Amino acid sequence: AQKITQTQPGMFVQEKEAVTLDCTYDTSDPSYGLFWYKQPSSGEMIFLIYQGSYDQQNATEGRYSLNFQKARKSANLVISASQLGDSAMYFCAMREGQTGGFKTIFGAGTRLFVKA
Amino acid sequence: GAGVSQSPSNKVTEKGKDVELRCDPISGHTALYWYRQSLGQGLEFLIYFQGNSAPDKSGLPSDRFSAERTGGSVSTLTIQRTQQEDSAVYLCASTQSGGPYEQYFGPGTRLTVT
Repeated sequence: AQKITQTQPGMFVQEKEAVTLDCTYDTSDPSYGLFWYKQPSSGEMIFLIYQGSYDQQNATEGRYSLNFQKARKSANLVISASQLGDSAMYFCAMREGQTGGFKTIFGAGTRLFVKA
Repeated sequence: GAGVSQSPSNKVTEKGKDVELRCDPISGHTALYWYRQSLGQGLEFLIYFQGNSAPDKSGLPSDRFSAERTGGSVSTLTIQRTQQEDSAVYLCASTQSGGPYEQYFGPGTRLTVT
């Protein structure tokens, strides 16, 4: 069963505007972690932001914030003030706790295009 | 400090040959992951090593795939009797002990099976 779902294969955003990339997940483990990674055309994978299942507040890292809605099992990434350099693939990932053996699985990704 | 390194960066091999891909994780990182990424696709989990525990091999697509991690550090992913569908980028990542366990990725090995 798909555990990480990213329903937007591609997204367009105007430079300097905000954009939300969707991610839903499925787990029965009460302890888990959610991650977002960026993969530019160069191919490197870059860690952006992390949200723990027990964290009370939404995570923020600079222009990145994670809209964590636990009851809905969603962990959307919000990028504010988009820049041309934000054009890339974005992957949502989940690390389950003990029942999942701590391995991390990734969604299919969303390709973001930032328009000048 | 040095990041995760992988070698070779590119490998072209003939169908039916065996290949070995190497990953050097960040020193002191206890967990090591292998993923496969086909062109334009997401990351497919292959195998995961955590310390001295038995590896989680649940993502290996067939018995032609195997991996070892020696001394809790360097890992080798071996693909026997390569097939054209094995062509992909193979990514290695490591994480440190203690949360939140974000992964540090290597640059990948691009495997092409002709």
